[in-house]
Amino acid sequence: NAGVMQNPRHLVRRRGQEARLRCSPMKGHSHVYWYRQLPEEGLKFMVYLQKENIIDESGMPKERFSAEFPKEGPSILRIQQVVRGDSAAYFCASSPGSDGLPSGYTFGSGTRLTVV
Amino acid sequence: AQSVTQPDIHITVSEGASLELRCNYSYGATPYLFWYVQSPGQGLQLLLKYFSGDTLVQGIKGFEAEFKRSQSSFNLRKPSVHWSDAAEYFCAVGDAGNMLTFGGGTRLMVKP
Repeated sequence: NAGVMQNPRHLVRRRGQEARLRCSPMKGHSHVYWYRQLPEEGLKFMVYLQKENIIDESGMPKERFSAEFPKEGPSILRIQQVVRGDSAAYFCASSPGSDGLPSGYTFGSGTRLTVV
Repeated sequence: AQSVTQPDIHITVSEGASLELRCNYSYGATPYLFWYVQSPGQGLQLLLKYFSGDTLVQGIKGFEAEFKRSQSSFNLRKPSVHWSDAAEYFCAVGDAGNMLTFGGGTRLMVKP
């Protein structure tokens, strides 16, 4: 029973390029969360999605960032026209989320984005 | 809005010594509380969680945490630290909407 799978583990992009980060939740989990961890900082919530729905995107920067969780396939976090300040570790987590309790997320190993 | 404060950014303890990591939260209702551990270059692993009931919660790897409503705290403890416990520890508070808010983390170093 595979856990939360994120790929790639490491991603290097030049300023102005696009970054696509993928997350496959645990089997049976229908809720996906994206967090960003800047160097020497804690985790900052970005977006919460269910299949084909964005539930809460209050942590997403207003420009250049978007997320989706299609009916089929992984969740994608997309960053357009990356800048140096986007360099961070991006973590995906999933939960079953069906019982109304925050059952505790299962985290992926993260994607470390470096913008050069 | 909920928030979590971990007052200690870095803590160093000797191997075999006891450990307490502090966590204070702000939340209007009964909180759901979590502790996660992150080893270097890795994701976060759930150590333990509190929803209700007994205020002393046992977790994995010999960790425990105590919920104290009067102090709005959920401190993590371990009686005897091992070198492999060196990592970063995050406290989090959740709501019924499945949202978790994390503290800034405490980096634990273990001296031989």
